Amino acid sequence: DGGITQSPKYLFRKEGQNVTLSCEQNLNHDAMYWYRQDPGQGLRLIYYSQIVNDFQKGDIAEGYSVSREKKESFPLTVTSAQKNPTAFYLCASRQGRGNTQYFGPGTRLTVL
Amino acid sequence: AQTVTQSQPEMSVQEAETVTLSCTYDTSESDYYLFWYKQPPSRQMILVIRQEAYKQQNATENRFSVNFQKAAKSFSLKISDSQLGDAAMYFCAYRSAGTGGSEKLVFGKGTKLTVNP
Repeated sequence: DGGITQSPKYLFRKEGQNVTLSCEQNLNHDAMYWYRQDPGQGLRLIYYSQIVNDFQKGDIAEGYSVSREKKESFPLTVTSAQKNPTAFYLCASRQGRGNTQYFGPGTRLTVL
Repeated sequence: AQTVTQSQPEMSVQEAETVTLSCTYDTSESDYYLFWYKQPPSRQMILVIRQEAYKQQNATENRFSVNFQKAAKSFSLKISDSQLGDAAMYFCAYRSAGTGGSEKLVFGKGTKLTVNP
């Protein structure tokens, strides 16, 4: 099946720990995105990558880091510097400029 | 910066009836895209419909259609013959069409749609 996968579905973290959220796509899409969703809010852009080995900060990048070593993968690390990391995280990808973004199923992160 | 406003936090509709969800946006650009995404309880974001700003014709996808009023910066979604499976959060989103840039989506806060049997 072609698509975007995110793992894990649920993730629990203690304060002070870094955690990494996985996003993989087998659609051969060029660009990948990470969004954060808080209750009662729309999605906000954290980071994006338009080609391998290149990525850019979005609107709320503080406390997050990413890498894009392979076209298929765009992992997001939530660091201890992120003050309020409990949220729902969605990964998206698109093929070529001007095309629609498609989303993965998301990861729910809870900080205990 | 572009903004998207959905003024209806919640809406309800009877099964088989028609409902319209509102969306307005603010931009100084002339070329852009508008989207409606659906987020059911599973929380997967699913594309419902897409509209290119340069097209005057309103987009339609089966029971879903939009009323795009470019001058008024309005982009409403009409769902006809509502079904129980249409119950979800609906998000309106904007994306610039300019070259360069992230092509990020700017989202509204969403409208929760309830479908009553």
